[in-house]
Amino acid sequence: DAGVTQSPTHLIKTRGQHVTLRCSPISGHKSVSWYQQVLGQGPQFIFQYYEKEERGRGNFPDRFSARQFPNYSSELNVNALLLGDSALYLCASSLVGVGANVLTFGAGSRLTVL
Amino acid sequence: LAKTTQPISMDSYEGQEVNITCSHNNIATNDYITWYQQFPSQGPRFIIQGYKTKVTNEVASLFIPADRKSSTLSLPRVSLSDTAVYYCLVGDFYNQGGKLIFGQGTELSVKP
Repeated sequence: DAGVTQSPTHLIKTRGQHVTLRCSPISGHKSVSWYQQVLGQGPQFIFQYYEKEERGRGNFPDRFSARQFPNYSSELNVNALLLGDSALYLCASSLVGVGANVLTFGAGSRLTVL
Repeated sequence: LAKTTQPISMDSYEGQEVNITCSHNNIATNDYITWYQQFPSQGPRFIIQGYKTKVTNEVASLFIPADRKSSTLSLPRVSLSDTAVYYCLVGDFYNQGGKLIFGQGTELSVKP
């Protein structure tokens, strides 16, 4: 079975641009969460979605937004990019209810903002 | 969500047993303890989870004392491929959903 897949794996943007990152969860997983990991630090929670609704939001500005599609895949959008947005963006999926206690992460999308 | 404290780094040699201790003095009654492993440029990977006493799987053991204010991840006979960052997390994972609070983790370096 395929794990959590993310695209693109690497991308370079300039300040002020917009970026869209995509995530496909493990088959059967209905919950998707997004994390930002800056070099040398642990991942920071950005959003959780399931049943196409936002279920949790971390301490990130409104430039960050996300959505979940009927097939449970998800997109993370970041507007007006700043240099500080350079990071590894991780997507994680899980079951809802029983099994919700374990997250499976993708390999991430490495964003560099110049 | 309970805050955790763990060593920033540890060194070991191949074949040794490695024990990484995590402190979580403010753990709540409904909180579980979970450990994730992360290799460079990869997402974290679930290792083990427990509530009390001892849990063992094919990869590691987790020891939790009666007061649950700390926990110890034990990796038996480490190899070079165990070089990674290990994160200790505490929370009500069944109800808090996809929101995990990661600290800085422990960077384990295994040498030949």
